[in-house]
Amino acid sequence: DTGVSQNPRHKITKRGQNVTFRCDPISEHNRLYWYRQTLGQGPEFLTYFQNEAQLEKSRLLSDRFSAERPKGSFSTLEIQRTEQGDSAMYLCASSLGGLGDIQYFGAGTRLSVL
Amino acid sequence: GESVGLHLPTLSVQEGDNSIINCAYSNSASDYFIWYKQESGKGPQFIIDIRSNMDKRQGQRVTVLLNKTVKHLSLQIAATQPGDSAVYFCAENRGDTGRRALTFGSGTRLQVQP
Repeated sequence: DTGVSQNPRHKITKRGQNVTFRCDPISEHNRLYWYRQTLGQGPEFLTYFQNEAQLEKSRLLSDRFSAERPKGSFSTLEIQRTEQGDSAMYLCASSLGGLGDIQYFGAGTRLSVL
Repeated sequence: GESVGLHLPTLSVQEGDNSIINCAYSNSASDYFIWYKQESGKGPQFIIDIRSNMDKRQGQRVTVLLNKTVKHLSLQIAATQPGDSAVYFCAENRGDTGRRALTFGSGTRLQVQP
């Protein structure tokens, strides 16, 4: 499978715990994006990387959220001190760049905070 | 699997009929638009895109129409099949500023009756 890969697919955690998600983009895609999706809503943008540089961050990305892409390949999204309101699907997408920069999404990580 | 979009507007069509899904966008500066399909438990899947210098684009069984005057986008699916049943999202991007974030609409559920 050469698509965007996300792990884990599901994560259940207790309030106050830290969680980390991983995203492996499509090979050779230099742009990587994180979105969050709650039930009944479209995805909401969180942050974007061009190679290893984090170029854009949403106001949704509070201080408890941090994303990295250290080598310009895979990325991690960490949520510290999770809250029940963090429960959502976290989606990763990647794109090649250039004109017609189509973002291809992974299957997401479903987070449930108890 | 989990349900995407529990209380979304729903379009119900008979197999073989044509479907038209509509979307109103908000930012007159947006210059790139994409339609995604999302099935339960999966990430959004790219269907078709269009730039603001076009008013129509066709793919396989799908056509996107863009009316910039009234900020309206539509997705037409010809000969709808049961496999087309999903939630459909339009998304816009304001590419001129270099921002890469997609802004998604609220989605429409398409139900295809056999």
